[in-house]
Amino acid sequence: QKEVEQNSGPLSVPEGAIASLNCTYSDRVSQSFFWYRQYSGKSPELIMSIYSNGDKEDGRFTAQLNKASQYVSLLIRDSQPSDSATYLCAVNKINSGYALNFGKGTSLLVTP
Amino acid sequence: GAVVSQHPSWVICKSGTSVKIECRSLDFQATTMFWYRQFPKQSLMLMATSNEGSKATYEQGVEKDKFLINHASLTLSTLTVTSAHPEDSSFYICSARDPSTQYFGPGTRLLVL
Repeated sequence: QKEVEQNSGPLSVPEGAIASLNCTYSDRVSQSFFWYRQYSGKSPELIMSIYSNGDKEDGRFTAQLNKASQYVSLLIRDSQPSDSATYLCAVNKINSGYALNFGKGTSLLVTP
Repeated sequence: GAVVSQHPSWVICKSGTSVKIECRSLDFQATTMFWYRQFPKQSLMLMATSNEGSKATYEQGVEKDKFLINHASLTLSTLTVTSAHPEDSSFYICSARDPSTQYFGPGTRLLVL
């Protein structure tokens, strides 16, 4: 079982809709969870971090964490074509000084 | 947010040569930096953890004698790919921790001919 799993997509949503991205992780003791956005040919940029169960909102983005289900999600409201990118879910790597395990990413396409 | 730079941004080299990539934290001190590698359509894979003033910690399957890491100061870590081969062609990305968030450099694209 891979440590961090994501549906590779592509996920296509119309402009203005809500995009929902999902991620599951295998290590039950993980404590820190991150969503990164990566445009083609670029390095990842941090969108959200979440550490506690529940929802965390930042502008158009909402991260949701359910540790019991080992599930993290990212909602993007009012999706824009500029949101089209690959979204990487990352989970802290246990006993590694804050290194991260990444999922393969979900490709999101927002169509005008 | 914190800024991390990498140099060079891309490099093309012949098989058998060595390539050095620099990673700098520009506005903060980083006792720990990380080196990742990303192959096309794959995710980032951690290669090693670079600790200032001590030896790097390598992930399983990463050859420490091939990928030399030096973290001589709190703002600079270098990765040297020794005797590079075409299969080492990849996107190499460093990150630095400040203090619990990782900030990524822009990456170095390596092509070995």
